[in-house]
Amino acid sequence: EVQLVQSGAEVKKPGESLKISCKTSGYSFSHFWIGWVRQVPGKGLESVGLIYPADSDVRYSPSFQGQVTISADTSIDTAYLHWSSLTASDTAIYYCARRWGIGKVSQNPYDFWGLGTLVTVSS
Amino acid sequence: EIVLTQSPGTLSVSPGERATLFCRASQTINSIHLAWYQQKPGQTPRLLIYGASSRASGIPDRFSGSGSGTDFTLTITRLEPEDFAVYYCQQYGGSVTFGQGTKIEIK
Repeated sequence: EVQLVQSGAEVKKPGESLKISCKTSGYSFSHFWIGWVRQVPGKGLESVGLIYPADSDVRYSPSFQGQVTISADTSIDTAYLHWSSLTASDTAIYYCARRWGIGKVSQNPYDFWGLGTLVTVSS
Repeated sequence: EIVLTQSPGTLSVSPGERATLFCRASQTINSIHLAWYQQKPGQTPRLLIYGASSRASGIPDRFSGSGSGTDFTLTITRLEPEDFAVYYCQQYGGSVTFGQGTKIEIK
């Protein structure tokens, strides 16, 4: 059974760093793209970026380039989203999602989603 | 980056009626790279349609997708109570972007 289990909710102050995780199981983690999606409560879905864990190829959406870092650890089948310095505008739910279809050339939608990590940034 | 614009923002429909949702891309996309998702409050998005017109596993046939080029449509015939939700289109050819969503509410 494919599962994506995300780390718990976080409350941080502006300027602090944060790394949230997405622990996967039930499939070959290294060979499926994993994406991160942001959703401000009550608003729409925004793509943050994707990573192909086998070679750590990362594709950031333009709005998030330089603002976050996406990484993966294939030894523990886990993807990460990292901020070095949070701002209030980072407050949102962050979902990880698996891109359907094995292999780097896969261009498919997301078939499995984590339940999301709520990140709250407030002074 | 390809921008997807959905319309209308909100659609008021009675149960049993038909709903038609639109998604327009800022440039031509391959229809095999267009999907629709449903999201209910407090839930994760659920894949409905991929490749513009193929239903995902377990999706009832009252959901259908069509379109090509820059204009795509999701149609829900005979709305059921569980269909009142927010719907997003997504393009996934290389990069990934979402539309801003259409909310279907009970009229």
